[in-house]
Amino acid sequence: KNEVEQSPQNLTAQEGEFITINCSYSVGISALHWLQQHPGGGIVSLFMLSSGKKKHGRLIATINIQEKHSSLHITASHPRDSAVYICAVNYGQNFVFGPGTRLSVLP
Amino acid sequence: KAGVTQTPRYLIKTRGQQVTLSCSPISGHRSVSWYQQTPGQGLQFLFEYFSETQRNKGNFPGRFSGRQFSNSRSEMNVSTLELGDSALYLCASSFRSKTERLGQTQYFGPGTRLLVL
Repeated sequence: KNEVEQSPQNLTAQEGEFITINCSYSVGISALHWLQQHPGGGIVSLFMLSSGKKKHGRLIATINIQEKHSSLHITASHPRDSAVYICAVNYGQNFVFGPGTRLSVLP
Repeated sequence: KAGVTQTPRYLIKTRGQQVTLSCSPISGHRSVSWYQQTPGQGLQFLFEYFSETQRNKGNFPGRFSGRQFSNSRSEMNVSTLELGDSALYLCASSFRSKTERLGQTQYFGPGTRLLVL
């Protein structure tokens, strides 16, 4: 069974700050996903990673397969980044989600 | 392209009833996955359908079932509803080829919020 943990659970930042959200998992995976969920429930897939690093705008995601760890970074954070960020992993034929990190960015 | 659509968006049922939820994937996507989200358990994977066949299944009782039609639209059915089935049910589609393993980028629908009284 794969356990997925995220830290921190909650995060409050000032606009413009650099933010890091961490995800760790216990069993080898085929892919890791970062998802963003806004109030109201809509989920957007931000990244899918199997190795290395990906960048999209102000968002950067990295994964270290050996250490079973991934990070999501947000540069120059903005209030519109306020959302729950969820890490999810594929292993075998399953999809396991982390508990999410609730981010609030204050103006 | 139109996004993933789910109907209905909100639903209220009573214990013991059954419910059917519908999901229309993005055009060209043949994989549809279903998820349940509750405050207590978070997001959990229900099952995935690809070309009308269930390819993967999470750890849910047999009361939860689904199917996929030839146009890739999918339905999820929950029979004998329990209070604990109250949740946001999300579907997601992906462009996944027959030989690719589960794990392609998922495009989520807005969800169906089910309340069981």
